[in-house]
Amino acid sequence: QVQLVESGGGVVQPGRSLRLSCASSGFTFSSYGMRWVRQAPSKGLEWVAAISYDGSNEYYADSVKGRFTISRDNSKITLYLQMNSLRTEDTAVYYCTKVRSPAAIDYHYGMDVWGQGTTVTVSS
Amino acid sequence: QSVLTQPPSVSGAPGQRVTISCTGSSSNIGAGYDVHWYQQLPGTAPKLLIYDNNNRPSGVPDRFSGSKSGTSASLAITGLLAEDEADYYCQSYDSSLSGYVFGTGTKVTVL
Repeated sequence: QVQLVESGGGVVQPGRSLRLSCASSGFTFSSYGMRWVRQAPSKGLEWVAAISYDGSNEYYADSVKGRFTISRDNSKITLYLQMNSLRTEDTAVYYCTKVRSPAAIDYHYGMDVWGQGTTVTVSS
Repeated sequence: QSVLTQPPSVSGAPGQRVTISCTGSSSNIGAGYDVHWYQQLPGTAPKLLIYDNNNRPSGVPDRFSGSKSGTSASLAITGLLAEDEADYYCQSYDSSLSGYVFGTGTKVTVL
């Protein structure tokens, strides 16, 4: 079945780095855009970053621009999120998500598959 | 902060109908971008409930329906069940922010 499994979360001090991974299965990974979404404790959902199906285009929320980098390895069917200069406000559950439809321009589409999430805690 | 506004909570008795509004602006919903709805059951990851304003993915009961008009969208739940207790989020794209935006979230309580 279609599945996304995140890993790499943990506890990290402010200013340090962390890399999240998202392993996919059950669909043609290289055909779909992917997005990271996070949820701070007891808060709502916040989009973090997006990447096109071929990795040629990346998009970021203002809150993480310049600090986070989204990437993908289609040969390993895996999505990544490199998080640098972490702040306490980055503490959240990070979800890997799949865009519903394969398309070169996919901003119209929602996210039809979500991973179980990985928890990132930034604390001294 | 979210650019799509939802009521913090709605409630209803079993069998009743409830609606959740999602109010945006001319740079997101009003610009013609589609609205999607997600259901988040307690302690779980969100799940796509409605896509492209008014379409249900396979497996979603027809008790759930969506609509969109102008700068707003709505999610309706008819025949409310205890299992519908969850948080619900709308989501769209915003051209001013060049990014994806979520609603503030609505907690549905079944009385």
